[in-house]
Amino acid sequence: GNSVTQMEGPVTLSEEAFLTINCTYTATGYPSLFWYVQYPGEGLQLLLKATKADDKGSNKGFEATYRKETTSFHLEKGSVQVSDSAVYFCALILLGSQGNLIFGKGTKLSVKP
Amino acid sequence: AAGVIQSPRHLIKEKRETATLKCYPIPRHDTVYWYQQGPGQDPQFLISFYEKMQSDKGSIPDRFSAQQFSDYHSELNMSSLELGDSALYFCASSLGPGQGGEQFFGPGTRLTVL
Repeated sequence: GNSVTQMEGPVTLSEEAFLTINCTYTATGYPSLFWYVQYPGEGLQLLLKATKADDKGSNKGFEATYRKETTSFHLEKGSVQVSDSAVYFCALILLGSQGNLIFGKGTKLSVKP
Repeated sequence: AAGVIQSPRHLIKEKRETATLKCYPIPRHDTVYWYQQGPGQDPQFLISFYEKMQSDKGSIPDRFSAQQFSDYHSELNMSSLELGDSALYFCASSLGPGQGGEQFFGPGTRLTVL
């Protein structure tokens, strides 16, 4: 079936460290891919997205590239800050669907000063 | 800028009671999605509406029903509540369904069933 698999957390990093959160997907057709972030006690916020192969989404220093050949959409940031501590969800929307998001299990990131 | 509003923010109910969750989308957004997020889990899609009609259905129990009203707000009605219904319920809105419209999420309603 259609699904998203992302690396399990929690991930703990020191400030200014490099971040990678792996995400792979299984889907029929060509989905749109998303990263959402959930800060403690808050709703989900769209971080970035990509709608076709080789697209790179970027926002607030975060980047992810839609890789069709490896069915991946890994999230990266060159230098994390304490304020980046949150849960990160990789998600997809199937081509031709009514737009419901299919989420991965989420990865909790903690950044220490 | 206006965001998605959900009410109530917190709700405590007993088993077998009913609950109604409300969602007010961003103005001019015509599509509403409902998601359920259990403790430590990923959000699971329940149901969606476009232009006041149900557009898609996910893992919504038969005990739950929902609708979208003429002003585009939506309500999720939950009956015969079970302990396992305790979760964070998110509503999201977008301009149009499908892959194109970005979904904006509300802060969620935390339902606790005792």
